[in-house]
Amino acid sequence: KQEVTQIPAALSVPEGENLVLNCSFTDSAIYNLQWFRQDPGKGLTSLLLIQSSQREQTSGRLNASLDKSSGRSTLYIAASQPGDSATYLCAVTGGSSKIIFGSGTRLSIRP
Amino acid sequence: NAGVTQTPKFQVLKTGQSMTLQCAQDMNHEYMSWYRQDPGMGLRLIHYSVGAGITDQGEVPNGYNVSRSTTEDFPLRLLSAAPSQTSVYFCASSAKLTGEAFFGQGTRLTVV
Repeated sequence: KQEVTQIPAALSVPEGENLVLNCSFTDSAIYNLQWFRQDPGKGLTSLLLIQSSQREQTSGRLNASLDKSSGRSTLYIAASQPGDSATYLCAVTGGSSKIIFGSGTRLSIRP
Repeated sequence: NAGVTQTPKFQVLKTGQSMTLQCAQDMNHEYMSWYRQDPGMGLRLIHYSVGAGITDQGEVPNGYNVSRSTTEDFPLRLLSAAPSQTSVYFCASSAKLTGEAFFGQGTRLTVV
């Protein structure tokens, strides 16, 4: 059974810092991994999608890496801004198209 | 471009009532799924479908029923609502196994 873990559960950093969010999964037989952002009371916004054959994806100040063999992914946010405050969720797609989520990291950027 | 549309956005039910949450996508995606989100627990998979006429259970299927008669629609039925089903429900679709998942805006359900 696939299990996805995100550490830390919450993180608070001052504006301008670079930061890393972690995601680990127990079954390395995945097809892709996706990072989402969720603002309070809102839906999920897709940030980055990494296919199983890829090592990383970049979008603006965001960079996501994938190491299937170790069951890990990281989301790197450069030069953080207060607008980056949100909950960040990672999700893996495995056999039978099941998409399994981690419980998220709640990020707060202090002005 | 509507994407994934969920209705209703909010709903209050009394214990024992039944209802259907609607989900429709206009992207011709094969895969659709339903999740519930509770505080501090991320999203948990309820049911999913890999195509019209094919459904399967996720992590927390009890108390819910689904069917997939068309590619576009994937309704979620609550058979007899219980307070434990108070949650936010999200529907998702994706093009194929390696595709990007898109989510609806969610349905906030309260069972009293």
